[in-house]
Amino acid sequence: DIQMTQSPSSLSASVGDSVSITCRASQSIVTYLNWYQQKPGKAPELLIYSASALQSGVPSRFTGGGSGTDFTLTISSLQPADFATYYCQQSYSAPHTFGQGTNLEIK
Amino acid sequence: EVHLVQSGAEMKKPGESLKISCKGSGYIFANYWIGWVRQMPGKGLEWMGIIFPGDSDTRYSPSFQGQVTISVDKSISTAYLQWGSLKASDTAIYYCAIYSSNWLDKNWFKSWGQGTLVTVSS
Repeated sequence: DIQMTQSPSSLSASVGDSVSITCRASQSIVTYLNWYQQKPGKAPELLIYSASALQSGVPSRFTGGGSGTDFTLTISSLQPADFATYYCQQSYSAPHTFGQGTNLEIK
Repeated sequence: EVHLVQSGAEMKKPGESLKISCKGSGYIFANYWIGWVRQMPGKGLEWMGIIFPGDSDTRYSPSFQGQVTISVDKSISTAYLQWGSLKASDTAIYYCAIYSSNWLDKNWFKSWGQGTLVTVSS
C-alpha cells in the first residue's frame, strides 16, 4: 500500500492568515492526489482533485500543488468556515489511502 | 443532482451480523465506482474498498479484506457493506461515496453519503 503522511497533524491560525498543509506519499503518485475538508459531524467534501484542480464551488483561496511524492494545500486569507480537518488521498493505485488528517483550529 | 442516502444508525452486540446500505440517485448508478470509508471515533478516514456496480468488480484494502463484504443491487441502485461477526472495534461511522468516473485509479470521491454510525457493544 502507498502510505500518505500529512504534516502538521494540527495547526492553529487566525482569520485572515494563510496556512499550508503538506502531504507526502511513500512513492511517486504523479499528480493523483486529492484533498478533502471535513467539519465536525459532517461527511467529508472534495476540495481539490488531481493535485491542483479546484472542485466546482470551492473558493479560490484554496490552492493545491505538487507532484511525485510531495504535495501542498494552501489556504489563503482564512475564513471562519475554513476551520476544519483536512485529508489528502492518493488515487494512483488501490487501496486509495488517506493521510491521517490535519486539524485546523482557530487561534 | 447526485444523492447518496445511507441507512440509519445501528446498535449491535459483538458476534452479530450487520448489513448497511447506500442508495444512489440522480446519476447512472451502474457507471460509477462506490466506495466505503471508515471513521473510528475521533480518528481519520480509512479507505475500505470499492465496487463497480456495472459488473460488481470489487477491490478491498488489505486491512479490510476478509473482514467485510461489499456488494450491490443494481436493480434498486443500492450498495451494501456487511459484517458476518461484529467486533467492538468495528464501532465507527461508515461513509459511502462515489468516484467521479468509471476509472478505478486516478479518481476522486465527488459525492458522499451522510454516514452510518455503527456501535458494537455488549
